Amino acid sequence: EVQLVQSGAEVKKPGESLKISCKGSGYSFTTYWIGWVRQMPGEGLEWMGIIYPGDSDTKYSPSFQGQVTISADKSISTAYLQWSSLKASDTAMYYCARQGPDDYGDYWGQGTLVTVSS
Amino acid sequence: QAGLTQPPSVSKGLRQTATLTCTGNSNNVGSQGAAWLQQHQGHPPKFLSSRNNNRPSGISERFSASRSGNTASLTITGLQPEDEADYYCSAWDSSLSAWVFGGGTKLTVL
Repeated sequence: EVQLVQSGAEVKKPGESLKISCKGSGYSFTTYWIGWVRQMPGEGLEWMGIIYPGDSDTKYSPSFQGQVTISADKSISTAYLQWSSLKASDTAMYYCARQGPDDYGDYWGQGTLVTVSS
Repeated sequence: QAGLTQPPSVSKGLRQTATLTCTGNSNNVGSQGAAWLQQHQGHPPKFLSSRNNNRPSGISERFSASRSGNTASLTITGLQPEDEADYYCSAWDSSLSAWVFGGGTKLTVL
Protein backbone atom coordinates (compact mmCIF):
# COMPACT_ATOMS: atom_id res chain seq x y z
CA GLU A 1 0.00 0.00 0.00
CA VAL A 2 1.37 3.38 -1.03
CA GLN A 3 1.65 5.76 1.91
CA LEU A 4 3.03 9.26 2.34
CA VAL A 5 3.49 10.25 5.98
CA GLN A 6 4.30 13.85 6.80
CA SER A 7 5.92 15.40 9.84
CA GLY A 8 3.83 17.08 12.51
CA ALA A 9 2.44 20.58 12.87
CA GLU A 10 4.87 23.43 13.43
CA VAL A 11 4.55 26.81 15.13
CA LYS A 12 7.32 29.24 14.26
CA LYS A 13 8.18 32.92 14.51
CA PRO A 14 8.84 35.17 11.49
CA GLY A 15 12.45 34.92 10.36
CA GLU A 16 12.95 31.38 11.65
CA SER A 17 13.92 28.48 9.42
CA LEU A 18 11.95 25.27 8.97
CA LYS A 19 12.22 21.92 7.22
CA ILE A 20 9.21 19.60 6.97
CA SER A 21 9.29 16.05 5.71
CA CYS A 22 7.31 13.45 3.79
CA LYS A 23 8.23 9.76 4.01
CA GLY A 24 7.11 7.47 1.23
CA SER A 25 6.50 3.73 1.54
CA GLY A 26 4.88 0.92 -0.39
CA TYR A 27 6.43 1.86 -3.74
CA SER A 28 9.79 2.53 -5.37
CA PHE A 29 10.55 5.99 -3.95
CA THR A 30 13.33 6.72 -6.43
CA THR A 31 11.24 6.22 -9.58
CA TYR A 32 8.34 8.60 -8.98
CA TRP A 33 8.36 12.39 -8.81
CA ILE A 34 7.13 13.76 -5.48
CA GLY A 35 6.29 17.32 -4.64
CA TRP A 36 4.56 19.87 -2.47
CA VAL A 37 1.27 21.77 -2.52
CA ARG A 38 0.29 24.76 -0.40
CA GLN A 39 -3.24 25.38 0.83
CA MET A 40 -3.70 28.65 2.67
CA PRO A 41 -6.61 28.90 5.14
CA GLY A 42 -9.89 28.77 3.27
CA GLU A 43 -8.16 28.79 -0.10
CA GLY A 44 -7.42 26.40 -2.95
CA LEU A 45 -4.45 24.24 -3.87
CA GLU A 46 -1.20 25.76 -5.17
CA TRP A 47 1.50 23.59 -6.74
CA MET A 48 4.91 24.54 -5.36
CA GLY A 49 7.39 22.19 -6.97
CA ILE A 50 8.54 18.64 -7.45
CA ILE A 51 11.64 16.45 -7.16
CA TYR A 52 12.73 13.17 -8.72
CA PRO A 53 14.48 11.36 -5.86
CA GLY A 54 16.42 9.12 -8.23
CA ASP A 55 18.64 11.98 -9.40
CA SER A 56 17.35 14.98 -7.38
CA ASP A 57 16.13 16.77 -10.51
CA THR A 58 13.86 19.54 -9.20
CA LYS A 59 11.26 21.79 -10.79
CA TYR A 60 9.63 24.78 -9.08
CA SER A 61 6.50 26.76 -9.77
CA PRO A 62 7.50 30.28 -10.85
CA SER A 63 5.51 31.55 -7.84
CA PHE A 64 7.67 29.62 -5.38
CA GLN A 65 11.08 29.64 -7.09
CA GLY A 66 13.60 31.14 -4.66
CA GLN A 67 11.12 31.12 -1.77
CA VAL A 68 11.50 27.48 -0.71
CA THR A 69 13.86 24.56 -1.27
CA ILE A 70 12.72 21.05 -2.13
CA SER A 71 15.09 18.16 -1.49
CA ALA A 72 15.04 14.41 -0.95
CA ASP A 73 17.06 11.71 0.80
CA LYS A 74 16.51 8.54 -1.18
CA SER A 75 18.31 6.43 1.41
CA ILE A 76 15.39 7.00 3.79
CA SER A 77 12.65 7.56 1.16
CA THR A 78 11.94 11.06 2.42
CA ALA A 79 11.25 14.35 0.66
CA TYR A 80 11.63 17.74 2.29
CA LEU A 81 10.32 21.28 2.00
CA GLN A 82 12.49 23.96 3.54
CA TRP A 83 12.31 27.68 4.33
CA SER A 84 15.30 29.77 5.37
CA SER A 85 13.30 32.70 6.72
CA LEU A 86 9.61 32.25 7.37
CA LYS A 87 7.00 34.97 6.94
CA ALA A 88 3.52 35.22 8.43
CA SER A 89 2.18 34.69 4.91
CA ASP A 90 3.73 31.19 4.91
CA THR A 91 1.02 30.12 7.36
CA ALA A 92 -0.77 27.29 5.57
CA MET A 93 -1.33 23.56 5.29
CA TYR A 94 1.35 21.89 3.19
CA TYR A 95 0.73 18.58 1.45
CA CYS A 96 3.17 16.28 -0.26
CA ALA A 97 1.84 14.27 -3.18
CA ARG A 98 3.24 11.77 -5.63
CA GLN A 99 3.18 12.21 -9.38
CA GLY A 100 1.74 9.02 -10.83
CA PRO A 101 2.19 7.63 -14.35
CA ASP A 102 -0.17 10.23 -15.83
CA ASP A 103 -0.94 12.89 -13.30
CA TYR A 104 0.24 14.74 -10.24
CA GLY A 105 -1.39 13.74 -6.99
CA ASP A 106 -2.30 10.07 -7.23
CA TYR A 107 -1.34 9.73 -3.55
CA TRP A 108 -1.26 12.45 -0.87
CA GLY A 109 0.22 12.88 2.57
CA GLN A 110 -1.99 13.85 5.50
CA GLY A 111 -0.73 17.44 5.52
CA THR A 112 1.54 19.51 7.77
CA LEU A 113 0.10 22.68 9.27
CA VAL A 114 2.67 25.46 9.50
CA THR A 115 1.77 28.49 11.62
CA VAL A 116 4.05 31.53 11.56
CA SER A 117 3.23 34.11 14.20
CA SER A 118 5.10 36.51 16.41
CA GLN B 1 -4.10 33.00 -8.74
CA ALA B 2 -5.26 29.67 -10.15
CA GLY B 3 -3.99 28.60 -13.55
CA LEU B 4 -7.26 26.88 -14.51
CA THR B 5 -10.76 28.33 -14.16
CA GLN B 6 -13.49 26.56 -12.22
CA PRO B 7 -16.87 27.92 -11.06
CA PRO B 8 -16.64 28.67 -7.32
CA SER B 9 -19.81 26.78 -6.42
CA VAL B 10 -22.41 24.38 -7.77
CA SER B 11 -25.57 23.25 -5.98
CA LYS B 12 -27.67 20.24 -6.96
CA GLY B 13 -30.31 18.07 -5.37
CA LEU B 14 -29.93 14.60 -3.93
CA ARG B 15 -29.78 11.92 -6.67
CA GLN B 16 -29.40 14.57 -9.37
CA THR B 17 -26.45 14.94 -11.75
CA ALA B 18 -23.77 17.62 -11.40
CA THR B 19 -21.30 18.62 -14.09
CA LEU B 20 -18.26 20.58 -12.96
CA THR B 21 -16.12 22.40 -15.49
CA CYS B 22 -12.46 23.36 -15.71
CA THR B 23 -11.23 25.73 -18.41
CA GLY B 24 -7.62 26.18 -19.40
CA ASN B 25 -5.81 26.81 -22.65
CA SER B 26 -3.90 25.00 -25.39
CA ASN B 27 -0.81 24.74 -23.18
CA ASN B 28 -2.55 22.73 -20.47
CA VAL B 29 -6.07 21.28 -20.64
CA GLY B 30 -6.28 21.59 -24.42
CA SER B 31 -3.20 19.48 -25.04
CA GLN B 32 -2.68 17.51 -21.82
CA GLY B 33 -6.17 16.98 -20.42
CA ALA B 34 -7.02 17.43 -16.73
CA ALA B 35 -7.14 15.23 -13.67
CA TRP B 36 -9.72 15.64 -10.90
CA LEU B 37 -9.37 15.66 -7.12
CA GLN B 38 -11.94 15.66 -4.32
CA GLN B 39 -11.32 17.29 -0.95
CA HIS B 40 -13.58 17.03 2.03
CA GLN B 41 -13.30 19.68 4.72
CA GLY B 42 -10.32 18.99 6.97
CA HIS B 43 -8.92 16.20 4.81
CA PRO B 44 -6.22 15.94 2.16
CA PRO B 45 -7.24 15.82 -1.50
CA LYS B 46 -8.16 12.46 -3.02
CA PHE B 47 -7.43 11.47 -6.62
CA LEU B 48 -10.68 10.84 -8.56
CA SER B 49 -9.81 10.65 -12.24
CA SER B 50 -6.73 10.84 -14.41
CA ARG B 51 -6.33 13.13 -17.43
CA ASN B 52 -6.87 9.97 -19.49
CA ASN B 53 -10.24 9.58 -17.73
CA ASN B 54 -9.19 6.54 -15.76
CA ARG B 55 -10.53 6.11 -12.22
CA PRO B 56 -8.39 4.56 -9.49
CA SER B 57 -9.77 1.42 -7.89
CA GLY B 58 -12.32 2.24 -5.24
CA ILE B 59 -13.66 5.34 -6.98
CA SER B 60 -17.34 5.06 -7.81
CA GLU B 61 -18.51 4.73 -11.41
CA ARG B 62 -20.75 7.71 -10.65
CA PHE B 63 -17.73 9.89 -11.32
CA SER B 64 -16.78 10.33 -14.98
CA ALA B 65 -14.49 12.79 -16.72
CA SER B 66 -14.39 14.15 -20.25
CA ARG B 67 -12.77 16.93 -22.26
CA SER B 68 -13.77 19.16 -25.16
CA GLY B 69 -11.14 21.54 -26.44
CA ASN B 70 -9.72 23.58 -23.59
CA THR B 71 -12.46 22.58 -21.13
CA ALA B 72 -12.48 19.48 -18.97
CA SER B 73 -15.58 18.28 -17.16
CA LEU B 74 -16.36 16.01 -14.22
CA THR B 75 -19.85 14.53 -14.15
CA ILE B 76 -21.22 13.09 -10.93
CA THR B 77 -24.45 11.11 -11.26
CA GLY B 78 -26.88 10.08 -8.53
CA LEU B 79 -25.58 12.70 -6.09
CA GLN B 80 -25.16 11.50 -2.51
CA PRO B 81 -24.62 13.53 0.67
CA GLU B 82 -21.00 12.33 0.82
CA ASP B 83 -20.32 13.93 -2.57
CA GLU B 84 -20.52 17.35 -0.91
CA ALA B 85 -16.91 18.52 -1.10
CA ASP B 86 -14.47 20.78 -2.95
CA TYR B 87 -13.39 19.56 -6.38
CA TYR B 88 -10.17 20.59 -8.07
CA CYS B 89 -8.85 20.02 -11.56
CA SER B 90 -5.15 19.87 -12.37
CA ALA B 91 -3.07 19.80 -15.54
CA TRP B 92 0.52 20.01 -16.72
CA ASP B 93 1.22 23.37 -18.31
CA SER B 94 3.85 23.01 -21.00
CA SER B 95 4.52 26.75 -21.22
CA LEU B 96 5.17 27.07 -17.47
CA SER B 97 6.75 23.60 -17.09
CA ALA B 98 4.62 23.27 -13.99
CA TRP B 99 1.49 21.58 -12.75
CA VAL B 100 -1.42 23.99 -12.32
CA PHE B 101 -4.65 23.68 -10.36
CA GLY B 102 -8.06 25.19 -10.77
CA GLY B 103 -9.40 27.39 -8.01
CA GLY B 104 -11.80 24.65 -6.93
CA THR B 105 -15.57 24.19 -7.03
CA LYS B 106 -17.57 23.74 -3.84
CA LEU B 107 -20.32 21.22 -4.55
CA THR B 108 -23.38 21.44 -2.32
CA VAL B 109 -25.86 18.57 -2.33
CA LEU B 110 -29.27 19.89 -1.33
